[in-house]
This record gives sequence, C-alpha cells and structure tokens, in this order.
Amino acid sequence: GAGVSQSPSNKVTEKGKDVELRCDPISGHTALYWYRQSLGQGLEFLIYFQGNSAPDKSGLPSDRFSAERTGGSVSTLTIQRTQQEDSAVYLCASSLVGTGGNQPQHFGDGTRLSIL
Amino acid sequence: GENVEQHPSTLSVQEGDSAVIKCTYSDSASNYFPWYKQELGKRPQLIIDIRSNVGEKKDQRIAVTLNKTAKHFSLHITETQPEDSAVYFCAASINSYKLIFGSGTRLLVRP
Repeated sequence: GAGVSQSPSNKVTEKGKDVELRCDPISGHTALYWYRQSLGQGLEFLIYFQGNSAPDKSGLPSDRFSAERTGGSVSTLTIQRTQQEDSAVYLCASSLVGTGGNQPQHFGDGTRLSIL
Repeated sequence: GENVEQHPSTLSVQEGDSAVIKCTYSDSASNYFPWYKQELGKRPQLIIDIRSNVGEKKDQRIAVTLNKTAKHFSLHITETQPEDSAVYFCAASINSYKLIFGSGTRLLVRP
C-alpha cells in the first residue's frame, strides 16, 4: 500500500475486555512506532520496533500493554483488561532506518479506542 | 528526560498574514526536529524537519529556524491560507528514533 494502514479505525469496548490494534507499515520500512494521542493532547511515545525486535518499550504505560511485530512487517498492540483511561487514538508510524540518524516518520490514520 | 514545550496553544491570523509557532526543548543532545500538521480527524503529516547541523530550512511558504544555544526552534508560515488551518505539532529527538512531541498549536486562518 501507499501508506501506513491501521485497523480497526474505531473500536468501542467495555471496561475489562482485551483489545488488539493492528498496524501495517509502508513496504520496506524496517522501523515501526506506536504512539498514543489523548483528546486535545500531543502524541505520547509507546514503543519502537526495529525489524521484529523492540529496543525501546519505555513508553508502555503498564504491563497491560504489549506489542509484537512479526515478519518485520505487521505489528499488533494489545491492551489487556482495558480501563477507561486507555481511551485515546492509537497511532502507528513507520520509517526507513538510515545511517544518518532519524528518518521521517509517516503516520497512519490511527485507531480511536473508546472504553465504556 | 526530554521535554518539549510549544506556544501558543491557539493562534488566529487573517488570511495572507504570517504565523509563527515556537517550541523549546530541554535536552541539549536533541538533534532532529520535525513539524507535523494534523487536520481534524486525520493523520499527522510531516511538513518540514530540520537537523541540528542546520540553522534554517525553507520549503515554499514554510520555514523552520533552530537556535541550539537557546534550545528554541520555530515554524514560520507566510501568506497563510484557509487550508493552513489545522493543529501543528513540533517534536524533538535525542536518539535515532524516539520523538517527543509538543502539546500542539491550533491555527485558525480567517478568510
């Protein structure tokens, strides 16, 4: 595809349920990132993947949050036992990895998660 | 850790005027500074970025300036148009991947 694809676009679930959010990065992008954007706020870093490895998970808010990436492509962010404070837009981005440092990160449309 | 502050939170300008958004960062090791534009309900889109070895970068009506001594960087939009109305986010990175974002500026360009 031409851009980063995320699914579902919207997810409404009851408190205590588990949810899975999916990200399909731009073809050829080996770096993948998850961010969270609460209403009217900036973007908060969650986790970074280089290939299938996650060198930096420092932004995950609690052990209810986990993420994996398989085949160096699709990534899944899982939130277990959801709480109301988990309600937010979850954004995925991908980039090339270059020897010159940061490469531009390209974002998907996000998944709007609402916990009732 | 790195912290990025962004001002103003809202900005209203007349069409054709210039708009300036300012950000400050806390970690002097920061070396990459992108700016994103986010229209309502849409994805953030990269509009310009600058690295720490450059003081200014321009792309048509958009420019970014960086003052490493003061740890400031700014976005300048000239000849604003209604379609420039959006939320703009600055960000800073001290490593090769992690972006720390400012809280955003809602720009309204009045026709």
